Amino acid sequence: GAGVSQSPRYKVAKRGQDVALRCDPISGHVSLFWYQQALGQGPEFLTYFQNEAQLDKSGLPSDRFFAERPEGSVSTLKIQRTQQEDSAVYLCASSQGGNQPQHFGDGTRLSIL
Amino acid sequence: AQTVTQSQPEMSVQEAETVTLSCTYDTSENNYYLFWYKQPPSRQMILVIRQEAYKQQNATENRFSVNFQKAAKSFSLKISDSQLGDTAMYFCAFMTWGGRDDKIIFGKGTRLHILP
Repeated sequence: GAGVSQSPRYKVAKRGQDVALRCDPISGHVSLFWYQQALGQGPEFLTYFQNEAQLDKSGLPSDRFFAERPEGSVSTLKIQRTQQEDSAVYLCASSQGGNQPQHFGDGTRLSIL
Repeated sequence: AQTVTQSQPEMSVQEAETVTLSCTYDTSENNYYLFWYKQPPSRQMILVIRQEAYKQQNATENRFSVNFQKAAKSFSLKISDSQLGDTAMYFCAFMTWGGRDDKIIFGKGTRLHILP
């Protein structure tokens, strides 16, 4: 596609439910990143993939957060047993790697009630 | 650890004026990139300008220019002839060059209002 596509754009879930957020990177981009942006804050790094390999997951806040990119293109960020503090915008970005610019999607706004 | 600090949470200027957004950062790395990103209410993060740390010349993109002071670890953004469409959150950001990964570290942002 022309840009990074994220779905859903909005997600509302009750505390304790599991959610799955999807990211479709730009075709051919080897690097994929997930960031979490709390209200009024800058994005914070969660995890990074190079093709299907998850090379850095140091930013995942707890073991309730899990990300995968099994075929090296589409990625899913899963949050289990959601809590109110998980409410945020989740941004996905992709790049060609090698310090090439990251292109961001529009994000998924997650609200936990 | 790298940190990025934006000391101006919010700014307002009149249309057509020039405005400067401040940013300082801290790192022990010698090779890195600095960025300014714009995030309008639509939420999409848009790259405004990029500076390679090894370049002494300040980057410019049309009405946008930076003042990069490497020794002082300062990286300010100047917007000339500001337009209503420049209203957005602006994030200063840092990325290590040639590191294990390319994660970007963002500041907390400056909300910029361009007034008609």
